[in-house]
Formats: sequence, C-alpha cells, structure tokens
Amino acid sequence: NAGVMQNPRHLVRRRGQEARLRCSPMKGHSHVYWYRQLPEEGLKFMVYLQKENIIDESGMPKERFSAEFPKEGPSILRIQQVVRGDSAAYFCASSNRGDPNQPQHFGDGTRLSIL
Amino acid sequence: AQTVTQSQPEMSVQEAETVTLSCTYDTSESDYYLFWYKQPPSRQMILVIRQEAYKQQNATENRFSVNFQKAAKSFSLKISDSQLGDAAMYFCAYRSAFAGTASKLTFGTGTRLQVTL
Repeated sequence: NAGVMQNPRHLVRRRGQEARLRCSPMKGHSHVYWYRQLPEEGLKFMVYLQKENIIDESGMPKERFSAEFPKEGPSILRIQQVVRGDSAAYFCASSNRGDPNQPQHFGDGTRLSIL
Repeated sequence: AQTVTQSQPEMSVQEAETVTLSCTYDTSESDYYLFWYKQPPSRQMILVIRQEAYKQQNATENRFSVNFQKAAKSFSLKISDSQLGDAAMYFCAYRSAFAGTASKLTFGTGTRLQVTL
C-alpha cells in the first residue's frame, strides 16, 4: 500500500495519559499536514510540517499538543495529559511539495477515545 | 481568514436522480482552489473534484460536476444518476493559491447525503 499510513487506527487512553499518533506519508512526499475532526464536524487544520521543520502550527492548541516530522521515520502528533475533549479522529495528509497545486492525500485517520 | 459554509446538514436523493449540495465561502484572495471531499462510513477522505478559481469552466468528473460562481463565492456539487455508493458525508474545502502557510485546507461542516431506493 503506497498510500498515507496512519497508526494506530484506534487508540484508547485514560485521562492524563499521553497519546502518540503516527503518520507515514506517501513515498516521495516530504510535506505532512495534521487535521482533527470532532464528532459531527468538519476537519480542522492543526499543523503543517516539512522534514525537520514546522511550517505552520496556527491550528495547534497552545498546550499539551506537539508535532514533529524527523529526517527519518514517520511524523508524530503527540498529546500529553489527554482530556475527554481530545476525543476525535485525527487525520494526516501528505503532498510531495508545499505548493497548493499539489493535492493532499489523506490517510484513514486515527480515532482517539479518552476514557 | 477564510471560511467555508455548508448550510445543508443533510440531504436525501433517490437512486438514479440528481442532487445538488451547496457550499459558499468567504475570502479576500483572488486565486485559490476549491474541493469537494467524500467521507463514507469508513472515514476515508476521498477527493471527488477540484476547481481552480482562475478557470471559468466548471470542473467535471464523470457523474460529478460543480457550479462555480466566483462573484457569488458559491461552489455547489451536482451528483447525477445517484448511486447507493454515493451515500456519505460531503465536505467542501478551500485552499489558498499561495504556498507556505496558506497550504492548509479549510473545510466546511459537511452535508450528509442519503441515497434511497
């Protein structure tokens, strides 16, 4: 499968734990975008990363959330000390360049549930 | 900041009939891209159709077509000969034509489409 791979597909955490969501972009893609979808809502942009750089984090909550895209390995969205309101589907998308003419290809998402 | 509005939370269409989903957006930019995405129960995000704002001709992909009215900032999706597999959430999305920080997609709240026999 050469598409965008997200894992895990489902993640259950208790309040106060940490959640790590992984995204492997399509082969050859070096630009990654994270979106969050709350129940019955549309996707909301969180952060845009290029290899080893954060380009735009205007949609990231100020606390507890961080993202990285290292030179090697997948992009990681990390949520510390999770709360019930973090329950959502988190989608990753990738493109091979940052220019808007390049389509973003989406993964199947990670559904995060907080007990 | 750009906003995307989908005023129809739910729509229903009979199989083989035609349905139109509405989308309006607000922007001060002159160059941008508009998209319709389909999200079936499996939650995949599937690109249905794309329109470049500088093109006057409406985009078409098989049974899917758009009515792009730039002055009115309207971008509706028409689905012809509806099929059961078209049942899904449909999201309208906007993307600035300027790279860098404007590369993100801005989504509407979605329209749930039901297809009945």
